[in-house]
Amino acid sequence: EVQLLESGGGLVQPGGSLRLSCAASEFTFSSFAMSWVRQAPGKGLEWVSTIGSSGVNTYYADSVKGRFTISRDNSGNTLYLHMNSLRAEDTAVYYCAKGSLSYYGLFDYWGQGTLVTVSS
Amino acid sequence: DIQMTQSPSSLSASVGDRVTITCRASQAITNYIAWFQQKPGKAPKSLIYAASSLQSGVPSKFSGSGSGTDFTLTISSLQPEDFATYYCQQYNTYPLTFGGGTKVEIK
Repeated sequence: EVQLLESGGGLVQPGGSLRLSCAASEFTFSSFAMSWVRQAPGKGLEWVSTIGSSGVNTYYADSVKGRFTISRDNSGNTLYLHMNSLRAEDTAVYYCAKGSLSYYGLFDYWGQGTLVTVSS
Repeated sequence: DIQMTQSPSSLSASVGDRVTITCRASQAITNYIAWFQQKPGKAPKSLIYAASSLQSGVPSKFSGSGSGTDFTLTISSLQPEDFATYYCQQYNTYPLTFGGGTKVEIK
């Protein structure tokens, strides 16, 4: 069974930085696009970013473009989200999601999420 | 950006009811729509992709239909474990976008 385990969340002050990780197992990580999706408290789902299987192609929501960077380590089966210039509105549970073979943006498995709280 | 409008935003139903949730895209997305189920405090679970294909392990009481801009998710006979929030999502175009969710509650 596919396993995705996020970590790195926590409390950070506005303007601060944080790096999230997603450890993947039980599938060939290097063959699949991966994404981050977030959910603010009591709100719906919001796509954040997607990275292709090789790491060359990346896509971002306008709300995080220029502040967040998605990356991956295929040798270590880990997905990352580097978050800079954090704002209160970035407070959310961040999920990593595995893409399908055919479509980057089609998610078939999700991690359990990690909570990021941006507050002074 | 493609807007995904889900309706209703919430509904009350009884065990055994047939439930239908609608998602409308602001422009045509062929059949590039997925549906997810989310229970409180849990991660979303993938149910359907390509408008009508069931993800592996998803029971056949869930079905999806539609193409172009109008799509539906149907639960044929609601069971206690089906009370949750359901989301649609288009993967035709970036930015990827989700519907606002439909909360299915017990009547």
